[in-house]
Amino acid sequence: EPEVTQTPSHQVTQMGQEVILRCVPISNHLYFYWYRQILGQKVEFLVSFYNNEISEKSEIFDDQFSVERPDGSNFTLKIRSTKLEDSAMYFCASSDTGTGGSDEQFFGPGTRLTVL
Amino acid sequence: KQEVTQIPAALSVPEGENLVLNCSFTDSAIYNLQWFRQDPGKGLTSLLLIQSSQREQTSGRLNASLDKSSGRSTLYIAASQPGDSATYLCAVTPDSWGKLQFGAGTQVVVTP
Repeated sequence: EPEVTQTPSHQVTQMGQEVILRCVPISNHLYFYWYRQILGQKVEFLVSFYNNEISEKSEIFDDQFSVERPDGSNFTLKIRSTKLEDSAMYFCASSDTGTGGSDEQFFGPGTRLTVL
Repeated sequence: KQEVTQIPAALSVPEGENLVLNCSFTDSAIYNLQWFRQDPGKGLTSLLLIQSSQREQTSGRLNASLDKSSGRSTLYIAASQPGDSATYLCAVTPDSWGKLQFGAGTQVVVTP
């Protein structure tokens, strides 16, 4: 069964360093998302991406964050200068919201980011 | 501003009992509602998606209802099993491509 994959599963970085989190969405899906979950808190929306551009972003998604679909399969989230408060589980999701498709969002297993 | 609430925050039931999980939302202008399961330290597994025009959706032992006008959804899990122990999250979206807005979840423990 097709699934969303994410790498790495765990990333440890020093404050101020850049990190890139990678995702491979389900192959025929059109919409891509990043969410994060700080330990013990709700899952929060970061950004949605469609047709090679951001379609919506939250207040959390400031200039330190960027997303990219560098090729036909990968979808990345970059944090330019990490802060302690960026420590969280980051989830990638995708949906096939096209003609005849489903709005159901499918999530990857997550990348746990720890900023020291 | 949309707020999604799940009560109770935690629930413990003996095996075989039916589970009833509640989700409420403050703005009835939703496009759909999705229920997820999350195991500790793991990702989110989609259980059911209910479109705003639907009243309920069923998959195996799971049944989810939606009452948009009252801002409520209920997830029923029949004949619970220890393997059903997990955190159950509900999330709403305002449009077909929009962000999901999540509740805090209900942590379920099913005891043998």
